Amino acid sequence: RKEVEQDPGPFNVPEGATVAFNCTYSNSASQSFFWYRQDCRKEPKLLMSVYSSGNEDGRFTAQLNRASQYISLLIRDSKLSDSATYLCVGAFSGSARQLTFGSGTQLTVLP
Amino acid sequence: DAGVIQSPRHEVTEMGQEVTLRCKPISGHDYLFWYRQTMMRGLELLIYFNNNVPIDDSGMPEDRFSAKMPNASFSTLKIQPSEPRDSAVYFCASSFKSYEQYFGPGTRLTVT
Repeated sequence: RKEVEQDPGPFNVPEGATVAFNCTYSNSASQSFFWYRQDCRKEPKLLMSVYSSGNEDGRFTAQLNRASQYISLLIRDSKLSDSATYLCVGAFSGSARQLTFGSGTQLTVLP
Repeated sequence: DAGVIQSPRHEVTEMGQEVTLRCKPISGHDYLFWYRQTMMRGLELLIYFNNNVPIDDSGMPEDRFSAKMPNASFSTLKIQPSEPRDSAVYFCASSFKSYEQYFGPGTRLTVT
């Protein structure tokens, strides 16, 4: 079983829709979580960190539920430019600076 | 500011040949990571360095793979001999005292 698991999608949504991605992790000795974004044939880039209290960055909201070992990303008012693969990422205790990437969820926003 | 630089961007080689991938991290970053990405296995960490010292190479698939970091501004990942199953995109990333990693554009390797 992978340490970080995501629904691979694809998610095809119309412009302006709200879409949510979920991610679960199996290693309870987790420290930090992140969402990275990867455009087609490009490198991954940090989208946002995920805090236990939940955090928001514009149209993006990330949530972490440590009891359920569950992470989510909500995108409101989706734009065509949001089309990408979203990678759920964990940093686990004892793995200094080492990140574990989920396999990614593919999103396509349609006009 | 220059980001992480990787070369070559594309490499096509025949099975059995030696392949060397190069990476220049962001100046001042103290961690450097090598990843491999394929459709089947996603993004996998191969090895990472801290202050030029290899910390964890448990992700290196086998002895055909080796990585070095002779100084703070340069690292190489070598595959010798290469095999078709090594075909993938190889990313280098660097970070400084945080979990935020900055990725290079990647090297797309095809072994025929």
